[in-house]
Amino acid sequence: KQEVTQIPAALSVPEGENLVLNCSFTDSAIYNLQWFRQDPGKGLTSLLLIQSSQREQTSGRLNASLDKSSGRSTLYIAASQPGDSATYLCAVVSYNTDKLIFGTGTRLQVFP
Amino acid sequence: ETGVTQSPTHLIKTRGQQVTLRCSSQSGHNTVSWYQQALGQGPQFIFQYYREEENGRGNFPPRFSGLQFPNYSSELNVNALELDDSALYLCASSLGAGPATEDFFGHGTRLTVV
Repeated sequence: KQEVTQIPAALSVPEGENLVLNCSFTDSAIYNLQWFRQDPGKGLTSLLLIQSSQREQTSGRLNASLDKSSGRSTLYIAASQPGDSATYLCAVVSYNTDKLIFGTGTRLQVFP
Repeated sequence: ETGVTQSPTHLIKTRGQQVTLRCSSQSGHNTVSWYQQALGQGPQFIFQYYREEENGRGNFPPRFSGLQFPNYSSELNVNALELDDSALYLCASSLGAGPATEDFFGHGTRLTVV
């Protein structure tokens, strides 16, 4: 059974810092991995989608890497801003389930 | 904005009642998935509908049921509500039901059962 873990559960940093959020999954047989942002009480906004054949994806200040063999992904946020404060969720689509399986998220607070 | 809309935004129901949540897909999308997100947890897959047929179901009891209409909008119905059903219910639409397709989420419906 696929399990997705995110570390740390919460993070509080001053504005301007570069950040790394971690995601690990137990079964490397995945189709893709996706990072989402969720503002309090709101839905999910897709940030980056990495197919299993890819190693990384970049969008603006965000960079996500995927190491399928070790079951890990990292989301790198450069020059963090207060507007980046949100919960970040990673999710994988496994061969055996075909549906998104989510981690519990990292709650990020960036203070001025 | 993803173009996926959900209604209502918030809802309060009493234990034992029934509830219907609605989702309108992004234009052109024929697949809808429903997720339940309890407070402090990641979303959990409930079920998926592809072209009006159920196409996969998570570990949820039969009192959770759904429909997809010819225009690909969808409903989630929950009977005999329990306190633990209190959660944010998220709908996601995609073009196709394959694993490589990207899901686009709505803002969710916050259900509180008292």
